[in-house]
Amino acid sequence: KQEVTQIPAALSVPEGENLVLNCSFTDSAIYNLQWFRQDPGKGLTSLLLIQSSQREQTSGRLNASLDKSSGRSTLYIAASQPGDSATYLCAVLRGGSNYKLTFGKGTLLTVNP
Amino acid sequence: GAGVSQSPSNKVTEKGKDVELRCDPISGHTALYWYRQRLGQGLEFLIYFQGNSAPDKSGLPSDRFSAERTGESVSTLTIQRTQQEDSAVYLCASRNGGNPGYTFGSGTRLTVV
Repeated sequence: KQEVTQIPAALSVPEGENLVLNCSFTDSAIYNLQWFRQDPGKGLTSLLLIQSSQREQTSGRLNASLDKSSGRSTLYIAASQPGDSATYLCAVLRGGSNYKLTFGKGTLLTVNP
Repeated sequence: GAGVSQSPSNKVTEKGKDVELRCDPISGHTALYWYRQRLGQGLEFLIYFQGNSAPDKSGLPSDRFSAERTGESVSTLTIQRTQQEDSAVYLCASRNGGNPGYTFGSGTRLTVV
C-alpha cells in the first residue's frame, strides 16, 4: 500500500527566505507526483506535476524535484512571501485505469512579514 | 462551468440524519472523484467515476456511504445515519480523459453534532 509522508508538518519562516518542503513515498511505481496548495476554506490548487520520467519541474519561484528510485520529492520555494502561506500537499499517482491519487498530510507553511 | 462546483459549502447536521452532498464537474470531464479530508489527516480516496463504467467504490468507509453520477454530469455523495466521525471536508475533483491533471472543488465542510 502506497504511503506518502511530508516533513515538516509545519514551518514558519520570515519573508524572503528560501525554503524546502519534503515528500517521501514508499512505492516507487508511480505514474507522476503532484504538489498542491490548499488555502483555508478552499479547494486544492495544482502547483506542479512531475511525470515519473522527469527529474524536476519549475514554475516561477517554485521548483519541484523527483527522485523516483529513492521515493523522494522536494518543493523549493524561492524568496518566500506572506501570500505563500498555505498548506502544501504532495500526492502520487499510481498508473492504471483509475488515476487514483495518494496524498500526504501536508506541510502548513506560514511566511511572516 | 469554469470550475468544479460543490454544494453546500458548509453543512451542520445532527447525528443519525442523512446528508447529500453535490458536485458539478467541469463540463466535458469524464472522470470524477470524491475525497474526504478529516482534521489533521491527508485526503482519503472515496470513490471514482469514469464515464459509464462501473465506479471504483473501494474507498468508501462503510455501507452508510454511497454515491451516484448520471453520465458525465452531476454527482451526489450520500451519507446515511451520520456519525460524528463523518465530520470532515468532502472534496470533489474532475479530470479530462487521459489527462492526469485534477481540478478540485472548494469542498463541503460537514459537521455532525
